[in-house]
Amino acid sequence: SQTIHQWPATLVQPVGSPLSLECTVEGTSNPNLYWYRQAAGRGLQLLFYSVGIGQISSEVPQNLSASRPQDRQFILSSKKLLLSDSGFYLCAWSRGGGYTFGSGTRLTVV
Amino acid sequence: RKEVEQDPGPFNVPEGATVAFNCTYSNSASQSFFWYRQDCRKEPKLLMSVYSSGNEDGRFTAQLNRASQYISLLIRDSKLSDSATYLCVVNLWTEYGNKLVFGAGTILRVKS
Repeated sequence: SQTIHQWPATLVQPVGSPLSLECTVEGTSNPNLYWYRQAAGRGLQLLFYSVGIGQISSEVPQNLSASRPQDRQFILSSKKLLLSDSGFYLCAWSRGGGYTFGSGTRLTVV
Repeated sequence: RKEVEQDPGPFNVPEGATVAFNCTYSNSASQSFFWYRQDCRKEPKLLMSVYSSGNEDGRFTAQLNRASQYISLLIRDSKLSDSATYLCVVNLWTEYGNKLVFGAGTILRVKS
């Protein structure tokens, strides 16, 4: 069966520090991968999606970036975090059907 | 205009009540449609897909009107455990692959 792993579950980072969130999928090959962010009391905002290794589509201009170095690995990064980067970050995968989400990382930038 | 719009609620209903949520979407090229459920501080989980002919899953009924670009979810005989945020979702196909666009969600609170 397919599983999606996302870590860490919670993170507190100072403004200006770097960020790296990792997401991996098991049990499938060539999935579509997605990064979403949900600010407190808000809806999910699509940040990046990828249909294959090295292929990244960006939805919203920001100080975040994404990379897909391996088929089942999706990384969200920032060189310098802003206060506005705080939120609930969710990784998801799909393969022609519905999405399955990871359990999310709750990021607080202080 | 938001791509997917929902009434944020909250809808406060007693146990056993019937409640309906509505959603509109702006992109007529939307391919498929879903309702997701999100519990507090948890990831969203698929509740059901939505088909043009309408579909039912137990106490839940979903309807799609492509002409009006309108989606609905009906919950009958509400349970306390139905309390959650319900997200209306459309799937768009782009040249880079498909992507899900989420509404901001409708909060449901079922009270005894």
